[in-house]
Amino acid sequence: GQQVMQIPQYQHVQEGEDFTTYCNSSTTLSNIQWYKQRPGGHPVFLIQLVKSGEVKKQKRLTFQFGEAKKNSSLHITATQTTDVGTYFCAVATGANSKLTFGKGITLSVRP
Amino acid sequence: DSGVTQTPKHLITATGQRVTLRCSPRSGDLSVYWYQQSLDQGLQFLIQYYNGEERAKGNILERFSAQQFPDLHSELNLSSLELGDSALYFCASSDGWTQYFGPGTRLLVL
Repeated sequence: GQQVMQIPQYQHVQEGEDFTTYCNSSTTLSNIQWYKQRPGGHPVFLIQLVKSGEVKKQKRLTFQFGEAKKNSSLHITATQTTDVGTYFCAVATGANSKLTFGKGITLSVRP
Repeated sequence: DSGVTQTPKHLITATGQRVTLRCSPRSGDLSVYWYQQSLDQGLQFLIQYYNGEERAKGNILERFSAQQFPDLHSELNLSSLELGDSALYFCASSDGWTQYFGPGTRLLVL
């Protein structure tokens, strides 16, 4: 099945710095989703990317799907303390199907 | 608030015991998924039900079982509990591609 990898698992940044993380696969992905889990919370859907090279923005967050559909990136501009949490990428095999999650990257932001 | 509810929030039990976790999906969602989250394994898919029928199985142990009832709520039964079953158990429901997660049940097996 489709698998996704996220490395590293932890990253620390100074507030105001930019942050970029990647999600990689050895196979072509049909789609990629990103979820955010705040400390003590549950995963919350952020975005879904489907098309090759697709770029979507949500305020300071920019999501991109690679041209070959084998990787995706999440970029946060000028991080804030509200950005702390674990960011997961996930892939679904279809509508109403299970998600296969990456291990996630836990972001901490020093004020 | 995702609209997905889970009870109980916390559960402390002993090895060898059996527990039942309950999930109510968002109104109108037919799919219910169960995931286990532990520190070393991340978020692992356990099982999915769609409109009362099992649709997909993941890394679910034989000691675990689930069902979805006619009103679409779901229960996850964990039996012969072991220390390693201590984890956060999430239920999610979906309207297609997006999954909406409940607040989770934190299980501690002592």
